[in-house]
Amino acid sequence: QSALTQPASVSGSPGQSITISCTGTSSDVGGYNYVSWYQQHPGKAPKLMIYDVSNRPSGVSNRFSGSKSGNTASLTISGLQAEDEADYYCSSYTSGSTYVFGTGTKVTVL
Amino acid sequence: QITLKESGPTLVKPTQTLTLTCTFSGFSLTTSGVGVGWIRQPPGKALEWLAVIYWDDDERYSPSLKSRLTITKDTSKNQVVLTMTNMDPVDTATYYCARRMVTDAFDIWGQGTMVTVSS
Repeated sequence: QSALTQPASVSGSPGQSITISCTGTSSDVGGYNYVSWYQQHPGKAPKLMIYDVSNRPSGVSNRFSGSKSGNTASLTISGLQAEDEADYYCSSYTSGSTYVFGTGTKVTVL
Repeated sequence: QITLKESGPTLVKPTQTLTLTCTFSGFSLTTSGVGVGWIRQPPGKALEWLAVIYWDDDERYSPSLKSRLTITKDTSKNQVVLTMTNMDPVDTATYYCARRMVTDAFDIWGQGTMVTVSS
């Protein structure tokens, strides 16, 4: 299985909205509503931000939202804040009953 | 409070076998739907999923690493163990364990343990 494809970097100014894409295949992203998103600050463990495409765990800001269309999932961060600067990874369940992560996106707040 | 913590050697030699232990608390690996997985991250690189073991003893492995990995659980000790054979310098990474929640996401992660492969 190949890693899901994400843009290497995305940037935005405080208060703006940004969207990170995550492209897979019909065997992973397109085949299941089991896409999750993780935020990782430098030197820290990843933190779950979105699960099942669009659900937020308790405690995660509603500025984070997820969606999916075909083989591409997306994470949108609205009202961008300095604390949102981090690496973001998508993940999907696959047809082989395994999991695959994305290539990762570095979000920079200008 | 749910916690997971990885433990194991920080340095292994090429060709050796790596054994990592994930000790967890605050949940049970006998609860239906629950699993514990392993994910690694080479320095400066992306996350890579390795393996998962479920409450019902089902095990799943990364297709590219399947021949080298074994995951087991000891529910009495609240531990999950990952072994990786024939270690190579490219396996140098931070290794994380994480709880797989009933839906297919890893909701709670350990702090990670850095493993360096070098002679």
